[in-house]
Amino acid sequence: QMYLQESGPGLVKPSEALSLTCTVSGDSITTNSYYWDWIRQPPGKGLEWIGTVYYTGTTYSSPSLQSRVTISIDTSTNQFSLKMISVTATDTAVYYCARRSAASLRQGAFDLWGQGTMVTVS
Amino acid sequence: QSALTQPASVSASPGQSITISCAGSSSDIGTYKLVSWYQQHPGKVPKLIIYEASRRPSEVSTRFSASKSGNTASLTISGLQADDEADYYCSSYVGSSNWVFGGGTKLTVL
Repeated sequence: QMYLQESGPGLVKPSEALSLTCTVSGDSITTNSYYWDWIRQPPGKGLEWIGTVYYTGTTYSSPSLQSRVTISIDTSTNQFSLKMISVTATDTAVYYCARRSAASLRQGAFDLWGQGTMVTVS
Repeated sequence: QSALTQPASVSASPGQSITISCAGSSSDIGTYKLVSWYQQHPGKVPKLIIYEASRRPSEVSTRFSASKSGNTASLTISGLQADDEADYYCSSYVGSSNWVFGGGTKLTVL
């Protein structure tokens, strides 16, 4: 059984950088079956896809955020990370890490999520 | 890319059926079958209920079904139960290794 767990500061000052880590447990992050994604949800609002990383290190980010976002993977620690620079109050949200199937089974589905971590920019 | 368009809210009585639409464009839903739906209860983590536009994970109730036609995807919940009251989100591949979510629909079971 695989689990995802986000970690990082819950409070970030405006104009500074937000850094979060997702720890994958129960299986190796180097499997070619999944992409590893970040998704956020501002309070009372909907979900927003931030970006993704594959075990090879290949990354993709939302066009609206890509100038401020860096996603990376550390296969030695079974973790992947999100860094967002120049944050403002509009970046206040619950940040989720999620697993997305790369295989033909459940292709494209975010089928496993972390519990989410609230990040407040203030 | 723009978010997919969902109605802000829908409501119905227990036992009835409802359908939630998810409107996209020819660049996303109209081209790709990679549409998924998620259920999110208040304060909880989103849960996958539909993938590849119409496939249902084995652990999800058969009361949930979905389809895609043209640029619009739809989620139908039959035999509404109190526990179905939640927010529902659609998601679609939009090309160039990017993904987008709908704005979400709040389902109220009267």
